[in-house]
Amino acid sequence: GNSVTQMEGPVTLSEEAFLTINCTYTATGYPSLFWYVQYPGEGLQLLLKATKADDKGSNKGFEATYRKETTSFHLEKGSVQVSDSAVYFCALSDPQGGSEKLVFGKGTKLTVNP
Amino acid sequence: DAGVIQSPRHEVTEMGQEVTLRCKPISGHNSLFWYRQTMMRGLELLIYFNNNVPIDDSGMPEDRFSAKMPNASFSTLKIQPSEPRDSAVYFCASSLGGYEYGYTFGSGTRLTVV
Repeated sequence: GNSVTQMEGPVTLSEEAFLTINCTYTATGYPSLFWYVQYPGEGLQLLLKATKADDKGSNKGFEATYRKETTSFHLEKGSVQVSDSAVYFCALSDPQGGSEKLVFGKGTKLTVNP
Repeated sequence: DAGVIQSPRHEVTEMGQEVTLRCKPISGHNSLFWYRQTMMRGLELLIYFNNNVPIDDSGMPEDRFSAKMPNASFSTLKIQPSEPRDSAVYFCASSLGGYEYGYTFGSGTRLTVV
C-alpha cells in the first residue's frame, strides 16, 4: 500500500540555519506530493506541492523537489526563522490508490531558537 | 473566501453526553474529510464524503461515531455517548476533488470529555 516516511523529530535549529526534513514515499501509481505545516493550536495548512517528477514546489522560502528515482520529496529552507517553528507533514495522493485520500507521514516537529 | 469553518472551537462535555461537531466546507469543494488528531495516534482519517455521499468510513472508530452531510455546505460529526478516550482535536477539511489539489483544513474542534 501507499505510505509516507518522514524523518523523526523533534528538530531544533538556531535562527538562520539551513533546514532539511526528509520524506520518502511508497506508492503504487504516480502520486502527487504535498507538504503541510501546522502551527500551534491551528489546523494544517498546505505549504507546497508537486504533481509530477522533477517539479519543484516552493512557498515562503521553503522548497521541495519531486524525485521519482529516489521516491523522495525532501523539504528545505535556506535560513529558518523563529516563526517557522511548527509541525511539518509530508503527504501523498495516488491516482492509482483508488481514492483521493491523502496519506500523511507522522509529522516532524521543528523548533527554531533565536 | 472564509475557508473551512468548524464549530465549536472548544467543547468540554461529560462522559455519556452527546457531542455534535459542525463543519462548513469551502463553497465549490466536492469532497469533505473528518480527521482526528491525538498525540498518541497522530492524524487519523475518520470518514470522507464526495458530493455529499459517504465514500469511506473505515476509520470511524465504532458505532458511537456517526457523520452526515445533508447538503454541500454542511456536515456534522456526532459522538453518542462520548467517552474520555474520545478527547482529541477533530479537523474537517475540504477539497476540489481529484489528486492534485490537496485539502484545506479548518481550525479544528478541541474536544475534552471528562
